[in-house]
Amino acid sequence: DIQMTQSPSSLSASVGDRVTITCRAGQGISNYLAWYQQKPGKVPKLLIYAASTLQSGVSSRFSGSGSGTDFTLTISSLQPEDVATYYCQKYKSAPRTFGQGTRVEIK
Amino acid sequence: QVQLVQSGAEVTQPGASVKVSCKASGYTFTDYFIHWVRQAPGQGLEWMGWINPKSGDTLYAQKFQGRVTMTSDTSFNSAYMELNGLRSDDTAMYYCSRVRGCSNGVCFPTDYWGQGTLVTVSS
Repeated sequence: DIQMTQSPSSLSASVGDRVTITCRAGQGISNYLAWYQQKPGKVPKLLIYAASTLQSGVSSRFSGSGSGTDFTLTISSLQPEDVATYYCQKYKSAPRTFGQGTRVEIK
Repeated sequence: QVQLVQSGAEVTQPGASVKVSCKASGYTFTDYFIHWVRQAPGQGLEWMGWINPKSGDTLYAQKFQGRVTMTSDTSFNSAYMELNGLRSDDTAMYYCSRVRGCSNGVCFPTDYWGQGTLVTVSS
């Protein structure tokens, strides 16, 4: 099975900061990579799919990049409402493994 | 609007079974797969498997093979996930989610999630 490794596991940044989260796949997955946001006590929400395509209705503060094995999620200007845990997921084939998550907090 | 409504919380004992339901509305039920994902308290997301409601085909994560059964009933636009031989580490929120099936080599991520069903395994 292909493992998905996110880094860092948590981060603390100030409002307005640029934040970057990395996701690495154990083998190449082309661009079949999604990012989800899960706020405390809430259901996960799709942010980005196909590595860089913004889901409809999602703030343009969020962007994604990468292909193959290395991917990034960027929040261009961190806002208080972005406090959440972010997960990457591969979805080309089963198992649709998630990364372990990155908790984002406000400093 | 698309909705996936899951059954209520369950409290059960070690060794027992639990069956969680997921009722879909707002779209054609057989056009999308249903995936199941769980999340233990304070932990990350764990993919369990999927069912194709049109064909009844299933695919389970290796970790759950032999313990999980996913079914669907197109008459009720509902999917079900039954987990047997429950242990304390099966205590988790269980989510159903909707995924368009792969087509012409193009696959899709989960776009809608149920609200989750908390399963607590305790003696």
